[in-house]
Amino acid sequence: EVQLVQSGAEIKKAGESLKISCKASGYYFASYWIGWVRQKPGKGLEWMGIIYPGDSDTRYSPSFQGQVTISADKSTSTTYLEWSGLKASDTATYYCARPLSSGWFFAYWGQGTLVRVSS
Amino acid sequence: SVLTQPPSVSGAPGQGVTIACTGNSSNIGANYEVHWYYQVPQTAPKLLIYANDDRPSGVPDRFSGSRSGASASLAITGLQREDEGDYYCQSYDSSLSAWVFGGGTKLTVL
Repeated sequence: EVQLVQSGAEIKKAGESLKISCKASGYYFASYWIGWVRQKPGKGLEWMGIIYPGDSDTRYSPSFQGQVTISADKSTSTTYLEWSGLKASDTATYYCARPLSSGWFFAYWGQGTLVRVSS
Repeated sequence: SVLTQPPSVSGAPGQGVTIACTGNSSNIGANYEVHWYYQVPQTAPKLLIYANDDRPSGVPDRFSGSRSGASASLAITGLQREDEGDYYCQSYDSSLSAWVFGGGTKLTVL
């Protein structure tokens, strides 16, 4: 069974750095793309980017390019989403998600990580 | 949002509703597939329809998808109270080189 388990909620201050995680199980981690989606409070879904753990090929949405870093660790089957300087506007729930075997859509989702940033 | 959805739709139990998703020549109109998700607030989204009109196992056949030109639709028949929630369409946009979501549609079962 494919499972994506995300790290817990975070409360941070503006300017601080943060790295949240998404641990995958139930499949061969290196062979499937895995992405991140942002959802601000009361708002819709926003695609942030996606990584192929096999070779670390990473694609970013233009809206998030340079704002976050997506990485993956094959040894622990974990994907990361990282900020070097948080802003209050980064307050949101972040989901990791994985496509099916083929196709550009997300079939499996993590439970979400709430990030609150105070100014 | 790059893909446009109505903010809300509603229907009585047992009736049907349709949710539209309008794109342009860089996404749906460029023949990229459309996918649909369902989300109960404060929970993770769930895949409802993929590749325009395919249903993952476990999704009732009351849900169906279609695509025509630069638009797509999600149809729900035989509305049930548990269908209430937010529905999102998603596709790929070649001008952005990015996956894109619609703004979401809130379904209320009256």
